[in-house]
Amino acid sequence: GQQVMQIPQYQHVQEGEDFTTYCNSSTTLSNIQWYKQRPGGHPVFLIQLVKSGEVKKQKRLTFQFGEAKKNSSLHITATQTTDVGTYFCAGPEVSSARQLTFGSGTQLTVLP
Amino acid sequence: NAGVTQTPKFRVLKTGQSMTLLCAQDMNHEYMYWYRQDPGMGLRLIHYSVGEGTTAKGEVPDGYNVSRLKKQNFLLGLESAAPSQTSVYFCASRFSGPSYEQYFGPGTRLTVT
Repeated sequence: GQQVMQIPQYQHVQEGEDFTTYCNSSTTLSNIQWYKQRPGGHPVFLIQLVKSGEVKKQKRLTFQFGEAKKNSSLHITATQTTDVGTYFCAGPEVSSARQLTFGSGTQLTVLP
Repeated sequence: NAGVTQTPKFRVLKTGQSMTLLCAQDMNHEYMYWYRQDPGMGLRLIHYSVGEGTTAKGEVPDGYNVSRLKKQNFLLGLESAAPSQTSVYFCASRFSGPSYEQYFGPGTRLTVT
């Protein structure tokens, strides 16, 4: 079945450093979504990318969708303690766009 | 709007006991989902529903049953709980269509001893 891999699994950074998480799908995706889950919380939708090579920014967060629509990345510039949490990418199932396949997530710790 | 709510928030079961988790949404979403989240394994889909009266299996459906008798509610049942079902369960919902985001409930932390 479809697989969505994320690396790294864990990342510790000093406050102010940059952070990047990478997402790779075994199949071509029609779109990719990113979610953030704070410790003890639930996943919250951040953004969706649809077009090949698309780049979107949300303040210090930059999201990219690969040209082949099989990979994506999330880059955070100058991390803050409020960025702490787990970041998940998710893509529609090939067999049914009604379902999402989630990556295993990258857990970000920001040290003050 | 309350969004997506889940009941209960916490539960401890003994092996073999049964229970039902309730998910409710007030956003008039057509699609609803049940996920389980285990450390290091992300979110895995258990069952989902694309409308009232319809359900379908996800990636890990064994040991669970679901029902969607009303559009706003999605129930997840464990008939005979096992320690392997210890997990955090999230419900989510979204509008139909190819690319709408999912809205998640706060989760239910279940421990089976």
